[in-house]
Amino acid sequence: NAGVTQTPKFQVLKTGQSMTLQCAQDMNHNSMYWYRQDPGMGLRLIYYSASEGTTDKGEVPNGYNVSRLNKREFSLRLESAAPSQTSVYFCATAGPQTPEAFFGQGTRLTVV
Amino acid sequence: QQQVKQSPQSLIVQKGGISIINCAYENTAFDYFPWYQQFPGKGPALLIAIRPDVSEKKEGRFTISFNKSAKQFSLHIMDSQPGDSATYFCAASMRWTNNDMRFGAGTRLTVKP
Repeated sequence: NAGVTQTPKFQVLKTGQSMTLQCAQDMNHNSMYWYRQDPGMGLRLIYYSASEGTTDKGEVPNGYNVSRLNKREFSLRLESAAPSQTSVYFCATAGPQTPEAFFGQGTRLTVV
Repeated sequence: QQQVKQSPQSLIVQKGGISIINCAYENTAFDYFPWYQQFPGKGPALLIAIRPDVSEKKEGRFTISFNKSAKQFSLHIMDSQPGDSATYFCAASMRWTNNDMRFGAGTRLTVKP
């Protein structure tokens, strides 16, 4: 039982390159989230998906797109990476009967 | 606009001491206030949470105190141990939507042996 799995764990991109961060969960949760974590800023919500087929913007969505491929998978895409997107990205899930969020181990992204 | 303000940014406590981290929120619609603990290289994990209908919740050495009128809540770690050294985040959300959980900036706690 892996919980929430994120890939890759580390990535270095050049400015302007694109990439997709993958997240998969085996907890049968409806809700999935993407956060970014920056020093002194806490965790900020980028996008969330309340259920398969729906996505909504969070606090800091600019420069990102998401896809809720199915109930298990929620991907985050950077179309044209910028240095300001250097951060640690966390995927999280939450079930219908509990407000607790379960987090993956994170992806450390550096844009040079 | 930061909806959840957390202090201090960092905290150093001697082993056996009490660690206290404070948070304040603005949105009175929030009704779920969790604390998450994060170790280096790991994702945050739920430590303890409280609803606004109670003023205190205790789980082992960890206690949340909640002041609804002041819109403040705090985490107290009694008998702090070196293994408690981690970053702690407070958060607030509307419990059954949970689509907009707002986090504080985090407190890096170091417990010295």
